Amino acid sequence: DTAVSQTPKYLVTQMGNDKSIKCEQNLGHDTMYWYKQDSKKFLKIMFSYNNKELIINETVPNRFSPKSPDKAHLNLHINSLELGDSAVYFCASSRLAGGTDTQYFGPGTRLTVL
Amino acid sequence: GENVEQHPSTLSVQEGDSAVIKCTYSDSASNYFPWYKQELGKGPQLIIDIRSNVGEKKDQRIAVTLNKTAKHFSLHITETQPEDSAVYFCAAALEYGNKLVFGAGTILRVKS
Repeated sequence: DTAVSQTPKYLVTQMGNDKSIKCEQNLGHDTMYWYKQDSKKFLKIMFSYNNKELIINETVPNRFSPKSPDKAHLNLHINSLELGDSAVYFCASSRLAGGTDTQYFGPGTRLTVL
Repeated sequence: GENVEQHPSTLSVQEGDSAVIKCTYSDSASNYFPWYKQELGKGPQLIIDIRSNVGEKKDQRIAVTLNKTAKHFSLHITETQPEDSAVYFCAAALEYGNKLVFGAGTILRVKS
């Protein structure tokens, strides 16, 4: 059973398009995250939700809009895609909010903007 | 906010040798220090963590040491094997903070 799953695994699109990435966790966790990993492998948090409430928004452009319909799902919608948005996006979850609990990462979505 | 520096950025070792990766953190209030391993094409996975009330923790071939005074912590892998080849990330979190801050990662290559 996959603990944290993301779809799609690969996403290739043109500049200016709008796209969504979906994430689901079956661990029963209360907290979910979106991370961006750039070409140099640097891993940076974008958003965090706890019980469907936004608790972290790390100065991400307004073009990125997360949505958590329930505790098990956290989706990421990106408007007007730019070249600089090309990266691997990871979803993660943890039992507790804050940074002091084990985070379980999904397999990642590689976004390529042409 | 918290800042975590990680060295080296790449590390090549011969199979069977030891590997050491070091990290420093800036906020003395940080009290949780996990290490994640990321294999090619996969998401990071926790391999070991340490909290500020202990100085060392071991799990088979891996160990983590923490020096709170100097604000640095290290990952030690003994008897390295080819399957240890991956990117390793250190991270730090404040006890009452809201996020984990990651180091820049170390690419470990174990040559057989």
